[in-house]
Amino acid sequence: AQTVTQSQPEMSVQEAETVTLSCTYDTSESDYYLFWYKQPPSRQMILVIRQEAYKQQNATENRFSVNFQKAAKSFSLKISDSQLGDAAMYFCAYRSAVVTDKLIFGTGTRLQVFP
Amino acid sequence: KAGVTQTPRYLIKTRGQQVTLSCSPISGHRSVSWYQQTPGQGLQFLFEYFSETQRNKGNFPGRFSGRQFSNSRSEMNVSTLELGDSALYLCASSSGYTGGSYGYTFGSGTRLTVV
Repeated sequence: AQTVTQSQPEMSVQEAETVTLSCTYDTSESDYYLFWYKQPPSRQMILVIRQEAYKQQNATENRFSVNFQKAAKSFSLKISDSQLGDAAMYFCAYRSAVVTDKLIFGTGTRLQVFP
Repeated sequence: KAGVTQTPRYLIKTRGQQVTLSCSPISGHRSVSWYQQTPGQGLQFLFEYFSETQRNKGNFPGRFSGRQFSNSRSEMNVSTLELGDSALYLCASSSGYTGGSYGYTFGSGTRLTVV
């Protein structure tokens, strides 16, 4: 069975600085998808970025980028130029490449952004 | 394009009662999946439906059930409620097939409190 681990329950960053959130996962599959989701106090999960395991190139979405290390089964999220609106819970998630919509989530990292 | 709509937003029920939660996916999306979010267990997959068929099921007791209608709207039902069922219930939609590979759109959830 696949598992996702986020070892940082809480992180904090100064506005305009850079922060990296860690995620590791365990799987025996070679093809899969990884996601970072943001959950603000409004409760709605918002997709931040996705990565396809068969692509070596790290995904980037504006200020958000990932460091995907397939051999190490690591998938960290880097937030550059942090903004107050980035404060939220961040969840790392895994999805098998087979036909299923099941996501396996990590326990989350609470990110605080200080002015 | 309207987002994923979950109703009701909040619900208070008594132990032993049953409850039905509703999820209307994004127009055109055929897949709906459900998650339970609690402080202790985190985000756990309940089940997913695609074209009115349950495609996958998580490790929950039989008191948790669901269904999907021909218009893709989905309901989940919890019978004989227990205090431990208090949680935020989230649903997510995708186009199905490989649509989930591009991420999912989540609703804002239903906060269920069992007293």
